[in-house]
Amino acid sequence: EDQVTQSPEALRLQEGESSSLNCSYTVSGLRGLFWYRQDPGKGPEFLFTLYSAGEEKEKERLKATLTKKESFLHITAPKPEDSATYLCAARLGGFKTIFGAGTRLFVKA
Amino acid sequence: KAGVTQTPRYLIKTRGQQVTLSCSPISGHRSVSWYQQTPGQGLQFLFEYFSETQRNKGNFPGRFSGRQFSNSRSEMNVSTLELGDSALYLCASSLSGDGEQYFGPGTRLTVT
Repeated sequence: EDQVTQSPEALRLQEGESSSLNCSYTVSGLRGLFWYRQDPGKGPEFLFTLYSAGEEKEKERLKATLTKKESFLHITAPKPEDSATYLCAARLGGFKTIFGAGTRLFVKA
Repeated sequence: KAGVTQTPRYLIKTRGQQVTLSCSPISGHRSVSWYQQTPGQGLQFLFEYFSETQRNKGNFPGRFSGRQFSNSRSEMNVSTLELGDSALYLCASSLSGDGEQYFGPGTRLTVT
């Protein structure tokens, strides 16, 4: 069965304390791995797309990487405004997307 | 460029009633997907439409249905509402369905 698992469920960091979020996937026919950020009461906001193992994407304090079994979202020197839920999603053949449960990130000043 | 819009934003219905939610995608986007988001199950895929055709459907009962119009706007309908249908319903659009998706703010449905 196709599955996307994110860990940890919640992560509390001090401002400036770098860390990584994990997304492991077991799917057949991965067409793309996506990362989104979701703030309370809002729809998810697109961050990155990764298509092949070894690929990396960066945006400000965020960097996403992809292997054959998992993806990581690295957060360097986070700020309080980075607090949000981070979702990863696997795009399968047949135009279906499976989301992980998300990691709730709290960054304290 | 205007983002994805969803109407209404909030809705309260009674068990047994039916509801229709609307989604207008980003201009030029032809793929629209619908998701149900609940605290316990997270984001669950409902269905995806492209050029008025449903290309895939998630594991939801037949009470959940949708359609897409020639201008790419989409609607989803839930009949015979149950308490468990209370959720945030999100619509997402993309150019072709294979790339990144852009989400609307969602419709918060409460069933009493």
